[in-house]
Amino acid sequence: DSGVTQTPKHLITATGQRVTLRCSPRSGDLSVYWYQQSLDQGLQFLIQYYNGEERAKGNILERFSAQQFPDLHSELNLSSLELGDSALYFCASRDSRGLLYFGPGTRLLVL
Amino acid sequence: AQKITQTQPGMFVQEKEAVTLDCTYDTSDPSYGLFWYKQPSSGEMIFLIYQGSYDQQNATEGRYSLNFQKARKSANLVISASQLGDSAMYFCAMREAGDNQGGKLIFGQGTELSVKP
Repeated sequence: DSGVTQTPKHLITATGQRVTLRCSPRSGDLSVYWYQQSLDQGLQFLIQYYNGEERAKGNILERFSAQQFPDLHSELNLSSLELGDSALYFCASRDSRGLLYFGPGTRLLVL
Repeated sequence: AQKITQTQPGMFVQEKEAVTLDCTYDTSDPSYGLFWYKQPSSGEMIFLIYQGSYDQQNATEGRYSLNFQKARKSANLVISASQLGDSAMYFCAMREAGDNQGGKLIFGQGTELSVKP
């Protein structure tokens, strides 16, 4: 158990819909990273938050957004969903040594 | 541009034997970090081992060791005494250049390891 929690574990929805994925970092970690793992693109960094502020953006679509709340949990919002958005979405937090620990992931299926 | 290459899509190893998973990297940044993660069929990403570019010794964590050859830009994972539970996908990753905070990783395509009884 990495100490990073993610909900829900599975999500099935339809094209055009909007979903919210939730993540809580490890106790004491201030940063949250979101990654997407798809069959065609592999594992890709989406976005980083540190203590409530956005710090870095990767290959994140404009239809996707995220935020980190004062209690440090983070939400990734995916809207106008397309079939190609089906993937495993990971949240990770970074410890003081710079090591990245991943949550169990949310498996999203868009039908 | 930075890149991680894992040339072995799949590998088989007999239980109790050692196995080496290859990883080569490309970067012009003198400071970088290399990671290995394990992803079992359940999907979670499990951190295994880390090697910093300035670390003098090869990293070890239990049955995992990293064979770091800086001049050759390789960071191979060695698993000793393989167990059935080691069957999984293994990903090599590198910290992105300029990422001082250390969480933006570039991943390889992975190697699927199967341990045979």
